[in-house]
Amino acid sequence: AQSVTQPDIHITVSEGASLELRCNYSYGATPYLFWYVQSPGQGLQLLLKYFSGDTLVQGIKGFEAEFKRSQSSFNLRKPSVHWSDAAEYFCAVVAQDKVIFGPGTSLSVIP
Amino acid sequence: KAGVTQTPRYLIKTRGQQVTLSCSPISGHRSVSWYQQTPGQGLQFLFEYFSETQRNKGNFPGRFSGRQFSNSRSEMNVSTLELGDSALYLCASGLPPDRGQTGELFFGEGSRLTVL
Repeated sequence: AQSVTQPDIHITVSEGASLELRCNYSYGATPYLFWYVQSPGQGLQLLLKYFSGDTLVQGIKGFEAEFKRSQSSFNLRKPSVHWSDAAEYFCAVVAQDKVIFGPGTSLSVIP
Repeated sequence: KAGVTQTPRYLIKTRGQQVTLSCSPISGHRSVSWYQQTPGQGLQFLFEYFSETQRNKGNFPGRFSGRQFSNSRSEMNVSTLELGDSALYLCASGLPPDRGQTGELFFGEGSRLTVL
């Protein structure tokens, strides 16, 4: 069955530090992959997406993600975190006709 | 282009009551999905509607139901409310991945339901 895992439930980083959030998926074919961000009390907003082509994709707010087929991973990165990046981050995969979300990673930023 | 609109944003109900939540998708989007989000269970898929037909359904009891109208607006209903139904209910619209689209979802801000 298709699934998405985000191994880190919660991550804390200092402002200005680099960030990497992990995402692994289970799906036979090459899926469509997404990262969403959710600020407290809000809905989810799309950060970036991968469909095909260049495996390094750029998104909004300075985020990027790299698709690695051999590792079934789609990790999210940001070189320098800002306090406003504190939020919940969800990885998602489109498998056949369904969108499957990971459990989310909560990011805290220390000033 | 207006985003996904959910109403009401906040509501309080008591056990045994029922509730109806509304979602207006982005103009042109014919797919509407509903999710329940709680601190303990995370983001759980309820159901998806496309052109007034339920396409997919999550693992929720029959107390949870939904429908979609010809203008793509959608409602979900929860009957006989339980304390555990307290959650943020999120609606998302998009273009279904099996119709040549990518499956990207656009979310509303959610309806926060508290059951007392």
